[in-house]
Amino acid sequence: DGGITQSPKYLFRKEGQNVTLSCEQNLNHDAMYWYRQDPGQGLRLIYYSQIVNDFQKGDIAEGYSVSREKKESFPLTVTSAQKNPTAFYLCASSIAETGAYEQYFGPGTRLTVT
Amino acid sequence: GQNIDQPTEMTATEGAIVQINCTYQTSGFNGLFWYQQHAGEAPTFLSYNVLDGLEEKGRFSSFLSRSKGYSYLLLKELQMKDSASYLCAVRDSNYQLIWGAGTKLIIKP
Repeated sequence: DGGITQSPKYLFRKEGQNVTLSCEQNLNHDAMYWYRQDPGQGLRLIYYSQIVNDFQKGDIAEGYSVSREKKESFPLTVTSAQKNPTAFYLCASSIAETGAYEQYFGPGTRLTVT
Repeated sequence: GQNIDQPTEMTATEGAIVQINCTYQTSGFNGLFWYQQHAGEAPTFLSYNVLDGLEEKGRFSSFLSRSKGYSYLLLKELQMKDSASYLCAVRDSNYQLIWGAGTKLIIKP
């Protein structure tokens, strides 16, 4: 079955530590995205990538970094510079940015930083 | 600025019909999406509108009026499993999705 996997589902870290969230897809999609979801707010775009070895900042990229070395993988690192990292993180992919192509989402990683 | 407005919460009865509204102000328009999200889970795609009018898909329908910056999602024959949040998202001129905060729908027996 094709889909998107994110691991782990729950992650706990101490303040000051960097942490990397995994995102893998076997849908053969070119575009991949990272969103953050906080209570009472819409999804906010952190980074996106339309092709291997290329990615762009979204609306809230500060304190985050990504890489896209393989088409299937788009890991997100939450650095110690991110002021309020506790949130639900969602990875998504789509065939393309344009057209009637929806984004498919992974199950999410809930990160808690104390 | 860009803005998507949806009611925060709605309550409906099993078997009834409910309409969830979404109004938007965005820089450009390249389509509107509706997603369903159960608590703690990933959003799943429901519908896509890019032209004015009604798109019907089983018990769910979605309507768009571009001139009014308005869409609604209509859910018929409500079932308990329809209890979820419904997210409206607009693709702007840069082809990025701008998301509303979601409408939490509570279904009562």
